[in-house]
Amino acid sequence: EAAVTQSPRNKVAVTGGKVTLSCNQTNNHNNMYWYRQDTGHGLRLIHYSYGAGSTEKGDIPDGYKASRPSQENFSLILELATPSQTSVYFCASGESWGVSYEQYFGPGTRLTVL
Amino acid sequence: GEQVEQRPPHLSVREGDSAVITCTYTDPNSYYFFWYKQEPGASLQLLMKVFSSTEINEGQGFTVLLNKKDKRLSLNLTAAHPGDSAAYFCAVNSGGNNKLTFGQGTVLSVIP
Repeated sequence: EAAVTQSPRNKVAVTGGKVTLSCNQTNNHNNMYWYRQDTGHGLRLIHYSYGAGSTEKGDIPDGYKASRPSQENFSLILELATPSQTSVYFCASGESWGVSYEQYFGPGTRLTVL
Repeated sequence: GEQVEQRPPHLSVREGDSAVITCTYTDPNSYYFFWYKQEPGASLQLLMKVFSSTEINEGQGFTVLLNKKDKRLSLNLTAAHPGDSAAYFCAVNSGGNNKLTFGQGTVLSVIP
């Protein structure tokens, strides 16, 4: 009954190919986030969303697009994958009103671009 | 924007010893602070949180201290055990903008 799930959990892609990472949450949170995790950088925010139909650029959006078709689903799209996008990607959800702004994370997707 | 510096990147202690991980942040409007724990190959789990008005939080063998004057946040472990071996990340929310800025992480190893 994990509240934030991601698919696929592992993905190998070729340079120049299109990659779509999917995230689903059952927390009924308005906000959703995509991060990548690389050694020495912690988590860096790629895109986020305040609700269905909205996407916002995070700190490192170049090379990525996002889509939020519904409250529950948030996708990260790499139109032309490059080896520099090899990383572990985490999706998270969080409240949009001022309780404490904590976020809840999915299990991660390990992406390798060859 | 907010910048968070976390030290040390690696920390090795013996079982029963104490451990301290520190984060410094830049935005004086930061109000909510979090520590996440990530076990190898796993996701991030919320460990503890502290708000600007409370400054201290204790639980699960950890103490979180917040020094607003110095813009410094610390995670203190008083008696480490092997199950505490993991990566720890601080995260800061600035000005209620719904975003968290993460530190670079600390890999803690507890030697039995």
